[in-house]
Amino acid sequence: GAVVSQHPSWVICKSGTSVKIECRSLDFQATTMFWYRQFPKQSLMLMATSNEGSKATYEQGVEKDKFLINHASLTLSTLTVTSAHPEDSSFYICSASQGAQGELFFGEGSRLTVL
Amino acid sequence: GENVEQHPSTLSVQEGDSAVIKCTYSDSASNYFPWYKQELGKRPQLIIDIRSNVGEKKDQRIAVTLNKTAKHFSLHITETQPEDSAVYFCAAKSSSYKLIFGSGTRLLVRP
Repeated sequence: GAVVSQHPSWVICKSGTSVKIECRSLDFQATTMFWYRQFPKQSLMLMATSNEGSKATYEQGVEKDKFLINHASLTLSTLTVTSAHPEDSSFYICSASQGAQGELFFGEGSRLTVL
Repeated sequence: GENVEQHPSTLSVQEGDSAVIKCTYSDSASNYFPWYKQELGKRPQLIIDIRSNVGEKKDQRIAVTLNKTAKHFSLHITETQPEDSAVYFCAAKSSSYKLIFGSGTRLLVRP
């Protein structure tokens, strides 16, 4: 299947700093990527839909000014957690598909710990 | 809004027995229903999926059934093995192409 790579796999930062997470589709072009957040022992919650060349669409309750999403090319989407706080500590997972009807492929996930 | 409910939250079975996990979805326009297995700290792994034009699909010990009228779909694992122990998530792709996940089922297969 297609490969989606996410980086970094884990990151520790101080409260108040910003962290950028990258999501790349390695062998296909993804016009749409999705960002999920997963707290311990919970499900994957969709945060936003990232569309190449346009603004991301955020789910209800997700602050767009805090979670900045940029999808500048067909193979790269980035999520920046701005002014991170301990409650932002979570497992962030991106996904992409080959077209709207295709199977969704997931990145490895990025574990963020904010001290 | 779009919602997927999943039951049970935990399931413990004896090795060799069958396990069944059930989900319901709210968006009647949903047309794609994947099931994922997730091990601790790892990404979800697709184990089987079904599209809305099919009522049942089987792959060795794993099967999925779909009832579009009732908006139900279920995962069936037969002859369970200890390595089947993990968290399983159902999901539904909505009419807006977003994949919405169920709350997850923690399956424990006792040797």
